[in-house]
Amino acid sequence: GENVEQHPSTLSVQEGDSAVIKCTYSDSASNYFPWYKQELGKRPQLIIDIRSNVGEKKDQRIAVTLNKTAKHFSLHITETQPEDSAVYFCAAHRPIQGAQKLVFGQGTRLTINP
Amino acid sequence: DTEVTQTPKHLVMGMTNKKSLKCEQHMGHRAMYWYKQKAKKPPELMFVYSYEKLSINESVPSRFSPECPNSSLLNLHLHALQPEDSALYLCASSQGLLRSGVRGAYEQYFGPGTRLTVT
Repeated sequence: GENVEQHPSTLSVQEGDSAVIKCTYSDSASNYFPWYKQELGKRPQLIIDIRSNVGEKKDQRIAVTLNKTAKHFSLHITETQPEDSAVYFCAAHRPIQGAQKLVFGQGTRLTINP
Repeated sequence: DTEVTQTPKHLVMGMTNKKSLKCEQHMGHRAMYWYKQKAKKPPELMFVYSYEKLSINESVPSRFSPECPNSSLLNLHLHALQPEDSALYLCASSQGLLRSGVRGAYEQYFGPGTRLTVT
């Protein structure tokens, strides 16, 4: 079945430095890869996504890259700020049975140290 | 309106109770989802409704019963739950697969969740 692996499980960086979170997926039919940020006690919030026909996408300080051949995708956060501290989840999506299914990675707890 | 709303925010119920969770969206989305999230874990898909029809049931026990009365509403009926069912229950919505060529069609937006405790 489909599987998404996410690394690292925890990440601590100094404010202003960059953070990178990596995911791999197993299902070659996956065609959409969102990233969610979840702060403590709050809902997962979509922060950036990428479709399988695109290799890279950037939105201000965050960027996502996708390597379809290797089935890897990564989240890059530059110039990190304390408010970036949260749990980040990657996910892989595929259409199934007339609907959509997201399979999530296990999450990365990112801590930004002032 | 660009939000998914859920009620109640918190729910405590005994194992013999019957209760319902409610979810609502007014974004015109035609796919709605129920997820269960345990502490320090990712959301785990339970059910998917596509155009008001149940499309995916991820082998969820029958003590959880979903209902989609119309395209804006999604309910989750709870009966005879177990303590291990205590979790955050998240609703989400997206535009729907028939609009897959439309920009943003795959984006799923989550509600704030219902924190359920079964005693």
